[in-house]
Amino acid sequence: GAGVSQSPRYKVAKRGQDVALRCDPISGHVSLFWYQQALGQGPEFLTYFQNEAQLDKSGLPSDRFFAERPEGSVSTLKIQRTQQEDSAVYLCASSLSVGNQPQHFGDGTRLSIL
Amino acid sequence: KNEVEQSPQNLTAQEGEFITINCSYSVGISALHWLQQHPGGGIVSLFMLSSGKKKHGRLIATINIQEKHSSLHITASHPRDSAVYICAVPYSGGGADGLTFGKGTHLIIQP
Repeated sequence: GAGVSQSPRYKVAKRGQDVALRCDPISGHVSLFWYQQALGQGPEFLTYFQNEAQLDKSGLPSDRFFAERPEGSVSTLKIQRTQQEDSAVYLCASSLSVGNQPQHFGDGTRLSIL
Repeated sequence: KNEVEQSPQNLTAQEGEFITINCSYSVGISALHWLQQHPGGGIVSLFMLSSGKKKHGRLIATINIQEKHSSLHITASHPRDSAVYICAVPYSGGGADGLTFGKGTHLIIQP
């Protein structure tokens, strides 16, 4: 498809497990963003990639959160030793280039930690 | 970090009414985004603007950079406009940033 694709759409894990969330941005998009949206709240910035370079990871809530984009296209957000407060929708967005650009959002991965 | 405030938080209106949603932010910015999110759905970008006014169909967005304020208007509102409308600005004001978001305005248009 032409849009940002995220998988899985839903993920249920037990507390303490590791999870990996995938984002396929629009082909050719340079910038890629990860956001976390708790229930009833607006999204919160997690991290930003320009091609394969992670230029900003100031929003990652702890060192249990790790993101990568090794070839400058697909990105993976990994959460280690999950906790209940990690339950949220994780949104990925991409934009064509650097600077002021519209961001195109995926449908998100809804993560539930039991 | 930029702080974003939206009002109202919730808005219920009758079909056909003129709708206004307001957004203010704390740090000077290069551009402001208006986004739409349907329940259980993804986020769609409606506008990105850095000055003046933009119009797309029944939607109009305005921004006053000096006052750090933007408004989103919907003319001739329709039940299909029911959604959450979110204002977002660059995290630290610049262009190569992730976004920081307002809490959103929950809009319900009744037939």
